[in-house]
Amino acid sequence: QKEVEQNSGPLSVPEGAIASLNCTYSDRGSQSFFWYRQYSGKSPELIMSIYSNGDKEDGRFTAQLNKASQYVSLLIRDSQPSDSATYLCAVYHNNNDMRFGAGTRLTVKP
Amino acid sequence: DAGVIQSPRHEVTEMGQEVTLRCKPISGHNSLFWYRQTMMRGLELLIYFNNNVPIDDSGMPEDRFSAKMPNASFSTLKIQPSEPRDSAVYFCASNLQGNTEAFFGQGTRLTVV
Repeated sequence: QKEVEQNSGPLSVPEGAIASLNCTYSDRGSQSFFWYRQYSGKSPELIMSIYSNGDKEDGRFTAQLNKASQYVSLLIRDSQPSDSATYLCAVYHNNNDMRFGAGTRLTVKP
Repeated sequence: DAGVIQSPRHEVTEMGQEVTLRCKPISGHNSLFWYRQTMMRGLELLIYFNNNVPIDDSGMPEDRFSAKMPNASFSTLKIQPSEPRDSAVYFCASNLQGNTEAFFGQGTRLTVV
């Protein structure tokens, strides 16, 4: 089992819709979780961080964490074409190093 | 701060040659990570340093790869000899302390022909 797993997609949603991205992780002791966005040919940039169970909202983005289920998700409301990118889930492994999922490619169609 | 700085941005080399990738982390950051990204394998952690000390190099694919961090502001990843399968984008990232967000450099696109 990989440390961090994501549906590779691609995920396609129409403009204005909600995009839902999911991630599971294997290290039950993990305490820190992140969502990065990566445009083609660019480096990953942080979108959201979450450390506690529940929801965390920032603008159009909501991160959800369920440590009992070892599950993290990212919701993007009112999706825009500019949101089209690959979204990477990252989890601190053994609380020492950051491991990434394979990423989910999102396309928002106008 | 200028962020994490990597050089070169692009490198094309012939099989068998030595390649050295360079990274300057954000000033004051204590941890530094080297990642490799390919379409097939995604973003793989190669090695990370904490306070200039290598903590986990289990991701380094083989002995041809080596990494050093002689001081808090500089790290190198060396491949010797290089092979075509080493072609990838190599990212360096740093963070202030464990369990916090990591900031990425612009990456080095390596092509070995």
